[in-house]
Amino acid sequence: DVKVTQSSRYLVKRTGEKVFLECVQDMDHENMFWYRQDPGLGLRLIYFSYDVKMKEKGDIPEGYSVSREKKERFSLILESASTNQTSMYLCASRGTGNYNSPLHFGNGTRLTVT
Amino acid sequence: ILNVEQSPQSLHVQEGDSTNFTCSFPSSNFYALHWYRWETAKSPEALFVMTLNGDEKKKGRISATLNTKEGYSYLYIKGSQPEDSATYLCAFRGDYKLSFGAGTTVTVRA
Repeated sequence: DVKVTQSSRYLVKRTGEKVFLECVQDMDHENMFWYRQDPGLGLRLIYFSYDVKMKEKGDIPEGYSVSREKKERFSLILESASTNQTSMYLCASRGTGNYNSPLHFGNGTRLTVT
Repeated sequence: ILNVEQSPQSLHVQEGDSTNFTCSFPSSNFYALHWYRWETAKSPEALFVMTLNGDEKKKGRISATLNTKEGYSYLYIKGSQPEDSATYLCAFRGDYKLSFGAGTTVTVRA
């Protein structure tokens, strides 16, 4: 079974801090994704990566950046955390070659910015 | 962001009863429709990926149908059990990205 591991389940950070959310997958998947989930809204795509050092903006990239230095690891960076970035963050991965393969998700990181 | 809507937002079901709920999506440029189950404190888990109009998928007591021409999918739970309590997400792929609905939260009462 694919395992997607997010480094923290809960995080509390202060406004203006630089925040790193880490995600590791163990199935050699090329594609990795960062979503955020807010009440009443569907999962929204922040960034995705289809290969090492490659990244693409999703629907809501403002205020975020990402890093993919190794295939198994995809990091989401909040350059200067703000209260409107308080949210549940989900990492996901998908194998190569079939866009219709399902996503495999991590457990999520609930980030609170105060 | 494409408009994917799920209804109802939440529902309560008595144990043993059956239920169903809807995912609506754009009827043009269809590639796939995903269903995920997201239990509290766990990660979302894929239930089905549906690609063909008229597709029907089944996994245990859960099944789904797909109508791409009119842009909707139904998820059915037969004989609901407490372990079916979860948020059910659908996601529409019209290009290379998935657009998610806000989910239907199902609570099964014993």
